[in-house]
Amino acid sequence: EVQLVESGGGLVQPGRSLRLSCTASGFTFGDYAMSWVRQAPGKGLEWVGFIRSKAYGGTTEYAASVKGRFTISRDDSKSIAYLQMNSLKTEDTAVYYCTRRSAAGTRGKLYDYWGQGTLVTVSS
Amino acid sequence: QSVLTQPPSVSGAPGQRVTISCTGSSSNIGAGYDVHWYQQLPGTAPKLLIYGNSNRPSGVPDRFSGSKSGTSASLAITGLQAEDEADYYCQSYDSSLSGSDVFGTGTKVTVL
Repeated sequence: EVQLVESGGGLVQPGRSLRLSCTASGFTFGDYAMSWVRQAPGKGLEWVGFIRSKAYGGTTEYAASVKGRFTISRDDSKSIAYLQMNSLKTEDTAVYYCTRRSAAGTRGKLYDYWGQGTLVTVSS
Repeated sequence: QSVLTQPPSVSGAPGQRVTISCTGSSSNIGAGYDVHWYQQLPGTAPKLLIYGNSNRPSGVPDRFSGSKSGTSASLAITGLQAEDEADYYCQSYDSSLSGSDVFGTGTKVTVL
């Protein structure tokens, strides 16, 4: 059974940093791209970014709203994906979901498994 | 600001059919990228509902169906049930934004 478990959320002051972790199990982690999606309170889903598998260079892509402040990395030996968030702003307050990014024979990628999410609150 | 537009809400009585539209542009849906749909029940994480425009993952009832035409896609729910009350999001890829996956604005389905 595929499982994604996020951790590391909490209350942080504006301008500070926080690192989220996503521990995966039930599949060959290194074979998949991993993505982060967030949802501000009462709002819709917002794509944050993703990291490709090592087979595709392990490169990353980010939404314009977080580019230069957030960094996604991965440790395939531990089946963990990370989201390093720096220079946090109040508008970064959201539930952050870890997702598995898959192709499933489609043109473009989809998110076939999601974690339960972890809440990040940026406030003074 | 999402590039995929959905109606904020739709509603229907139990047993009725409702549809949710997802309107994109020539750089995403119109460029041939597939559309996927997610269901988010209250207080839970989103779940993949439809992938590749019209395919259902194992376990998703056949009451849910998807289609795509031109720069738009649609999700239909037939035989609406109380348990279908949730938020629904479409998702695709946009070639105008570097490596960007995009979500729709979301639609709240209310069962009357």
